[in-house]
Amino acid sequence: DIQMTQSPSSLSASVGDRVTITCQASQDISKDLNWYQQKPGKAPKLLIYIASNLETGVPSRFSGGGSGTDFTLTISSLQPEDIATYYCQQYNNLPYSFGQGTKLEIK
Amino acid sequence: QVQLVQSGAEVKKPGASVKVSCKASGYTFTSYRISWVRQAPGQGLEWMGWISTYNGNTKYAQKLQGRVTMTTDTSTSTAYMELRSLRSDDTAVYYCARTRGDGTFGAWGQGTLVTVSS
Repeated sequence: DIQMTQSPSSLSASVGDRVTITCQASQDISKDLNWYQQKPGKAPKLLIYIASNLETGVPSRFSGGGSGTDFTLTISSLQPEDIATYYCQQYNNLPYSFGQGTKLEIK
Repeated sequence: QVQLVQSGAEVKKPGASVKVSCKASGYTFTSYRISWVRQAPGQGLEWMGWISTYNGNTKYAQKLQGRVTMTTDTSTSTAYMELRSLRSDDTAVYYCARTRGDGTFGAWGQGTLVTVSS
């Protein structure tokens, strides 16, 4: 099974900051990676698919990059509504697997 | 708009079974798989498996093989997930998710809390 490791596990930043979350796969997954945002008590929401494609309706301050084993999710200018936990997910091989999550808080 | 509406919260005793439903609307039901993903309290996301709404084919996570069954009723655009022999560590919020062919979860249900407690 493919293991996904995110860092950091939690992050505190100020409004307007540039924030980057990383995700590492235990083996090469090409660009078969998605990013989700989950707010407390809510279902996850798709942000980025195929590593770098912005889902319809997602603000352009979100971007994704990477391929192979190393991936990033970047928020160019943090907004208060971005407070959430972010998960990466690989779909290169079954079973699909998620990172452990990165909890983003406002400083 | 695309909507997945799940059944309500359940409380079950260890050893019992639970069946959660997920009613889809706003799109052609048989054009997308349905996956089930669960989240234990305060924990991350765990993919449980998917079902093809077109032909009923299923893929389950190995750790749940033998305890989980996913089905659909295309006449009502509803997917079901049944989990048997419940244990306390099955306590979680269970989500259904519309799944694109590549494994992307593009739309999610609101979640169903299943609590297993004696």
